[in-house]
Amino acid sequence: GEDVEQSLFLSVREGDSSVINCTYTDSSSTYLYWYKQEPGAGLQLLTYIFSNMDMKQDQRLTVLLNKKDKHLSLRIADTQTGDSAIYFCAEAGSSNTGKLIFGQGTTLQVKP
Amino acid sequence: EAGVAQSPRYKIIEKRQSVAFWCNPISGHATLYWYQQILGQGPKLLIQFQNNGVVDDSQLPKDRFSAERLKGVDSTLKIQPAKLEDSAVYLCASSLKQYTDTQYFGPGTRLTVL
Repeated sequence: GEDVEQSLFLSVREGDSSVINCTYTDSSSTYLYWYKQEPGAGLQLLTYIFSNMDMKQDQRLTVLLNKKDKHLSLRIADTQTGDSAIYFCAEAGSSNTGKLIFGQGTTLQVKP
Repeated sequence: EAGVAQSPRYKIIEKRQSVAFWCNPISGHATLYWYQQILGQGPKLLIQFQNNGVVDDSQLPKDRFSAERLKGVDSTLKIQPAKLEDSAVYLCASSLKQYTDTQYFGPGTRLTVL
């Protein structure tokens, strides 16, 4: 079945790079997403990558996709305290209805 | 452009009571989703509408949950009767089209069942 897994917690110092990892099981996923959730708020789309790409860069964010290993990562350069949040990886499931399968989220703690 | 609106933001009820949540998607968005997010977990899809028709409700506990989108715009999600395990954040999302179009999320309704 469809499953997405993430590590639960990451702590970094302000100014360092953060790398959040995700693995997924559905090889037919066409899009993979990264969402950010701040306390008490909904999910904010950060970036996404199409499955025929292996890298996408958007300002401080870099997404790497290893389709062979079904591994996705999000790198945040020059991490700031405002980046502290929960980050969710999600895949568009194989049903082609747009249904998203989310990981359990990685809590990023940025220390000053 | 206004985002996805949800109300109420918070709700506390006792088990076996009923509760309803409301969602207003982004104007013009044909697809509407309701997700349940239990504390410490990622969101899980409950039901998906395309206009006013149901596309996927395979994860909706139909013995107690119901949802409608009568005019293809606003939607309501109802729980009757509520159980303790229904305590969660209920997120509404919308997208312009179906399939791989970007989903935009509302702030959610936090439900506590005592």
